[in-house]
Amino acid sequence: NAGVTQTPKFQVLKTGQSMTLQCAQDMNHEYMSWYRQDPGMGLRLIHYSVGAGITDQGEVPNGYNVSRSTTEDFPLRLLSAAPSQTSVYFCASSPDSYEQYFGPGTRLTVT
Amino acid sequence: RKEVEQDPGPFNVPEGATVAFNCTYSNSASQSFFWYRQDCRKEPKLLMSVYSSGNEDGRFTAQLNRASQYISLLIRDSKLSDSATYLCVVNMWRQLTFGSGTQLTVLP
Repeated sequence: NAGVTQTPKFQVLKTGQSMTLQCAQDMNHEYMSWYRQDPGMGLRLIHYSVGAGITDQGEVPNGYNVSRSTTEDFPLRLLSAAPSQTSVYFCASSPDSYEQYFGPGTRLTVT
Repeated sequence: RKEVEQDPGPFNVPEGATVAFNCTYSNSASQSFFWYRQDCRKEPKLLMSVYSSGNEDGRFTAQLNRASQYISLLIRDSKLSDSATYLCVVNMWRQLTFGSGTQLTVLP
């Protein structure tokens, strides 16, 4: 099992560009989520999904879109990147939303 | 007020020491509680769940006090490999809220 994989590992964007952060899991987990981690702030929930076709907003959803067409994949789209979106992004999956298995993270810098 | 508050540390302790971390949460309706560990520039990993009755896993003991909305983690006989950031996590309605973490460095 690869667990939770995320691509890319690092990304630099210019303000206004869009991109998609990829997340995939091979554990057949129904629950998947995206977090961002900023210094001194802890992890904050962006969006989550309780199954294919079902998504919902977390604490900080503005500027991000998600979709869940399959159980395995949960991409995060940045619509128009802003410097405030410079962060480390973690994707996680869980069989029940309690014990979360995190991917290795994507370090995003927006200039 | 943050929903989950932790002392950020850093805690610098010698090998073999006992160290305790505390965490408070603001929402009394919170349903379940966890400690995660995060190594530098790595992803968080579940360390243990926390129950009102207290639970122990080797050198680690976690305790929950619902009345005081307080969670603790005790590490006995600290090892160099325990150096990490410890995250207090609270779940309510399938949404996890993370504290900002307490940094521990165990010194030889």
